[in-house]
Amino acid sequence: GQQLNQSPQSMFIQEGEDVSMNCTSSSIFNTWLWYKQDPGEGPVLLIALYKAGELTSNGRLTAQFGITRKDSFLNISASIPSDVGIYFCAGRRVGGSEKLVFGKGTKLTVNP
Amino acid sequence: DGGITQSPKYLFRKEGQNVTLSCEQNLNHDAMYWYRQDPGQGLRLIYYSQIVNDFQKGDIAEGYSVSREKKESFPLTVTSAQKNPTAFYLCASRDRGERNQPQHFGDGTRLSIL
Repeated sequence: GQQLNQSPQSMFIQEGEDVSMNCTSSSIFNTWLWYKQDPGEGPVLLIALYKAGELTSNGRLTAQFGITRKDSFLNISASIPSDVGIYFCAGRRVGGSEKLVFGKGTKLTVNP
Repeated sequence: DGGITQSPKYLFRKEGQNVTLSCEQNLNHDAMYWYRQDPGQGLRLIYYSQIVNDFQKGDIAEGYSVSREKKESFPLTVTSAQKNPTAFYLCASRDRGERNQPQHFGDGTRLSIL
C-alpha cells in the first residue's frame, strides 16, 4: 500500500529550539492527522485537519493542511525533553474509503 | 475509563502455533482496525471492520484472520501461515457517526517468536 513521504527521518535538537516536519503525497487528501508515539506505546492523536489551508494549534504544536491538499506540516515551538518520541503523519485520500495512509515517522531527540 | 484495551502486552509464539491478540473498546465506535508496525516503518493495515459481522482485508492480510461478533471486540489471530510474525501490533477504533473522525489507538501487543 501507499505510504506518505515524511521528513526528516530523525532530528536531534537542543531544548528550547523549534521543530518542523512535513509529509507529502502524490494524491489529494481530505484529512490529515498527526500522532505522537512513545516507545512501547500506541500513537496518540495530536492534531486533526479537515480543510485545505486549515491551521490548527494544540499548545506548543501547530499543524497546517497544505493548500494543494497533498501535504501537511507540523511545528513544535520551544521544545522540551518530553517532546521526545516518534511523530507520524497520516491521511485519508479523497475517495479512499476507511483506510488511512501513514508516513514512516520522524524520530525526535531533545537534548536538555 | 473509556478507551481501547489490547492484551496481552507481550506475547510469544512457538513455530507452527496460532495466537490470538485481543482488542476491546468501550467507546461505542463502529469501526475497528488492526495494524502491524515494524522498526523504522509506518503502520500497515492488516484488517478492518466498519460494522459488526463484517470485515475487509487491508494491505497485508495474508497469514492473519479476524472476527467481529460484537461491536466492542475485534480479535486478531496470527496463524502459522504468517512466516514473519515478530512485530508490534496496534488496534484502533473510530466513530463513523460523524464524518472524518480520527482513529484512536490502543497501547499495542508485542509478538515475538520463541
